[in-house]
Amino acid sequence: DQQVKQNSPSLSVQEGRISILNCDYTNSMFDYFLWYKKYPAEGPTFLISISSIKDKNEDGRFTVFLNKSAKHLSLHIVPSQPGDSAVYFCAARGTGNQFYFGTGTSLTVIP
Amino acid sequence: NAGVTQTPKFHILKIGQSMTLQCTQDMNHNYMYWYRQDPGMGLKLIYYSVGAGITDKGEVPNGYNVSRSTTEDFPLRLELAAPSQTSVYFCASSYSRGGGNTEAFFGQGTRLTVV
Repeated sequence: DQQVKQNSPSLSVQEGRISILNCDYTNSMFDYFLWYKKYPAEGPTFLISISSIKDKNEDGRFTVFLNKSAKHLSLHIVPSQPGDSAVYFCAARGTGNQFYFGTGTSLTVIP
Repeated sequence: NAGVTQTPKFHILKIGQSMTLQCTQDMNHNYMYWYRQDPGMGLKLIYYSVGAGITDKGEVPNGYNVSRSTTEDFPLRLELAAPSQTSVYFCASSYSRGGGNTEAFFGQGTRLTVV
């Protein structure tokens, strides 16, 4: 049973425009949410996170929004750059400090 | 700073054979994890450990065993390998005390093929 879902397997965006990646979760006990970026043949690398007590966290071009009532979070990248092309995973922390991951969204930024 | 190191990077295993995937971290993290990633799927938690001597099952533990004799090392053992265990395996670690928020750091992965 997938507790963290990313319903868009892929997304293409023009360079300079905004990329919006979405993530939904089912477990209301999740207290910490993260986005990871993954290049081929490499491990995931941490990008940005948000605590469940906040609704927004910003770090440079990356902003994560959390809507707890809808159990939804999103990652905004603006402006998008070709180097942002990668697979993005949404993750949530449950009890026991376990991290649950979505299936990923492959972002392609077109120059 | 090495972070999380996994060996080997690639391996081909025959059905029924056994092997151990190695993972070590030099960040003094208390939590360590093993995930597998299948094509088009997210990362599924196999086993995790909250500290030396303590391990617990994740979402997909069948066919695997782990041990955590030191803070640094968290090997994953495959017994009687099956084609369904063909996957990319990621080891990760994190530090958590008192419920604080820290991310997990990942190794580069081990691509395992069972034939």
